Amino acid sequence: DIVMTQSPLSLPVTPGEPASISCRSSQSLLYRNGYHYLDWYLQKPGQPPQLLIYLASNRASGVPDRFSGSGSGTDFTLKISRVEAEDVGVYYCMQAIHRLSFGQGTKVDIK
Amino acid sequence: EVQVVESGGGLAQPGGSLRLSCIASGFTLTNYWMSWVRQAPGKGLEWVANIKEDGSEEDYVDSVRGRFTISRDNAKSSVYLQMNSLRAEDTAVYYCVPHMDRRVWGQGTLVTVSS
Repeated sequence: DIVMTQSPLSLPVTPGEPASISCRSSQSLLYRNGYHYLDWYLQKPGQPPQLLIYLASNRASGVPDRFSGSGSGTDFTLKISRVEAEDVGVYYCMQAIHRLSFGQGTKVDIK
Repeated sequence: EVQVVESGGGLAQPGGSLRLSCIASGFTLTNYWMSWVRQAPGKGLEWVANIKEDGSEEDYVDSVRGRFTISRDNAKSSVYLQMNSLRAEDTAVYYCVPHMDRRVWGQGTLVTVSS
C-alpha cells in the first residue's frame, strides 16, 4: 500500500502571511500518461472534503488562486500565498494511482 | 452538475447489516472506477473498497474484506456497499468517490454501530 505522510500536522497561521504543507508518498505517483495522481483537499467541520488541487498542480473550479500545488515523484507541496480566515480547517493530500490513500491531515488555524 | 448522493446509513447493532447506496449524476458512471471512503468521528479519511468500471474487479481494505461487498449497477448509475458483521469500529461517515480527475464528494452517510 502507498503510505502518505504530511507535515506539519498542525499549522498556526497569520492572516496575510504565506503557508505551506508538505506531502510525501512511499511510491512515485507518476502514471504512464505523465500525470501525478495527487489531490489536495480542505475539510471544514461537518462538511465533506472539498477538492482544491487535482493532478498535483491543477486548481479545481472556484478555488482561489492563492492556492497552488506543486511537486513530482514522491514529494508534493500545497502553498497558500496569503492566508485568509476562511482557509482554516484540515488539509489532506490523497493519492489515486493505486487504490486511494490519504495523509494524516494538517490542521490549520489562526494564531 | 457532477454529483454523487449517498444514502442508507443509520444505526445498526454489532453483528448486523446495512446496505449503502450511491447515486451518480452529471457523468457517465460506466467510465469510472468507484470507491467507498470512510471517516470515523474525529479521525482521518480511510479508503474502504473500490470497483472497476464494469464491475469485474473489486478490492478491499483488510479490515473489511470478507464482511463488506461493493457492487454497481451502471444502468441505474448506482454503486452499493453491503456491510455485514458490523463492528463498533465501522462507525463512520461513508463517502462514495469516483476515480475522476476533478473528483466530487457527496455529503456522505453516517453509519453508527452500537448496541
